[in-house]
Amino acid sequence: QVQLQESGPGLVKPSGTLSLTCAVSGDSISNTNWWNWVRQPPGKGLEWIGEIFYSGSTKYNPSLRSRVTISVDKSKNQFSLRLSSVTAADTAVYYCARSSYPDYYFDYWGQGTLVTVSS
Amino acid sequence: EIVMTQSPATLSVSPGERATLSCRASQSVSSSLAWYQQKPGRAPRLLIYGASTRATDIPARFSGSGSGTEFTLTINSLQSEDFAVYYCQQYNNWPPRTFGQGTKVEIK
Repeated sequence: QVQLQESGPGLVKPSGTLSLTCAVSGDSISNTNWWNWVRQPPGKGLEWIGEIFYSGSTKYNPSLRSRVTISVDKSKNQFSLRLSSVTAADTAVYYCARSSYPDYYFDYWGQGTLVTVSS
Repeated sequence: EIVMTQSPATLSVSPGERATLSCRASQSVSSSLAWYQQKPGRAPRLLIYGASTRATDIPARFSGSGSGTEFTLTINSLQSEDFAVYYCQQYNNWPPRTFGQGTKVEIK
C-alpha cells in the first residue's frame, strides 16, 4: 500500500521560506512516477504547485515558479518543497501526491499539513 | 493554461436521489480528466480517471462520462457518505495541472 506523509513546520514568518518533506512508503521514488505538491487555502480549492521525477526533472506552476523549488532524495525515498518569500496568501494545507505512468492523475495523496504564515 | 469550470457551485440533493455534476475545459483535454471527492479535513480521494474509469474500490453508483471539453460525474442513489466536495482535474496538458473550483454536494 502506497503511503505519503508530509512533515515540516506549521508556522512560517512572512518573507521566510516554507520547507516541507514528503516521505514515501510502499513505492520507490525511483519508479516512473511524478511526485507532486498541491495546496489548498482554508475554505478554497486545490492548486497544483509542481512536481518532480526521480531523475530530478521538475515542472512548476508558472504562477509560483519564481519562488518554488522541489527536490528529491532517493536515498531516503522522499521529496521536498521549498517556497520562498511567503506571505499570508501562502497559508494553506499542503498535500503531497503521486501521479503515475502512463496517465498522470493523482492516485495517492498524503494526509496534508497546515502551514500558517504569520509573524 | 487550461481552465476548468465546474457547475453548479453547490448542489442540494436528498439521500437516495441522483446528483449530476458538470465540468468544462477551456480547450480539449481528450479523456484525460479525473474526478476527486474531498470530505472536510481529509485529502482528496480519486474517484474517476480517464473520464469514465472508476478507481479501485469506488462504488458503482459513481460514473463519469464525456470527452473533449464537456464532462459529467453522476452519483446515483446518494448515500450519506457521498455528501462532500467534488473536483475535476485535467492531466492532458501541463504545466500547470489544473483543477475545477469544486462542487459541494449537500443534503437537501
